[in-house]
Amino acid sequence: GAGVSQSPSNKVTEKGKDVELRCDPISGHTALYWYRQSLGQGLEFLIYFQGNSAPDKSGLPSDRFSAERTGGSVSTLTIQRTQQEDSAVYLCASSRTGQGQPQHFGDGTRLSIL
Amino acid sequence: GENVEQHPSTLSVQEGDSAVIKCTYSDSASNYFPWYKQELGKGPQLIIDIRSNVGEKKDQRIAVTLNKTAKHFSLHITETQPEDSAVYFCAAIYYGGSQGNLIFGKGTKLSVKP
Repeated sequence: GAGVSQSPSNKVTEKGKDVELRCDPISGHTALYWYRQSLGQGLEFLIYFQGNSAPDKSGLPSDRFSAERTGGSVSTLTIQRTQQEDSAVYLCASSRTGQGQPQHFGDGTRLSIL
Repeated sequence: GENVEQHPSTLSVQEGDSAVIKCTYSDSASNYFPWYKQELGKGPQLIIDIRSNVGEKKDQRIAVTLNKTAKHFSLHITETQPEDSAVYFCAAIYYGGSQGNLIFGKGTKLSVKP
């Protein structure tokens, strides 16, 4: 079946612009996660959606970052007024129910801020 | 919060040899420990996971062991092949802010020389 789909695969933008990154989770998965991976580093948790519950935003690095999940499926991560330190690969994962269920990742969006 | 340490950061082995990667975690409430393999330009792929009610799990050439008392877990790859070359990440689930998000180690770059 189809895995987690992310778009765009690459995004280059100028400092100060806003960007939107999209994630399509595996069909039927109620939990959706966003992570950030900086060059040569591990994955840093950003935000977690579980069903209709309020999202866990505890990993968002600043108020320039926000995310929403419409209809319990597709999610969009928005970064406003981008800075060079926002350059990274943004990864999305989904799992069947959360609560320690296996997370399956997409291939990410590579974001470069000039 | 949870902290996951992973060693070594790089590992080079000859084809056919075994490879061992070790991780420690800090939060005794963690009860789920997945391992991911990441190839260049791809998202992390789940290769094996273990829950805290078992001490060892095997899947063909891959095995994971868990010592809850010492708070460490290890990945063992036997009969390594060149296609095992990749970056491997360990993770532990953290329940501090939500129903659980993963905290990752910084990764081990495994090179298998033919």
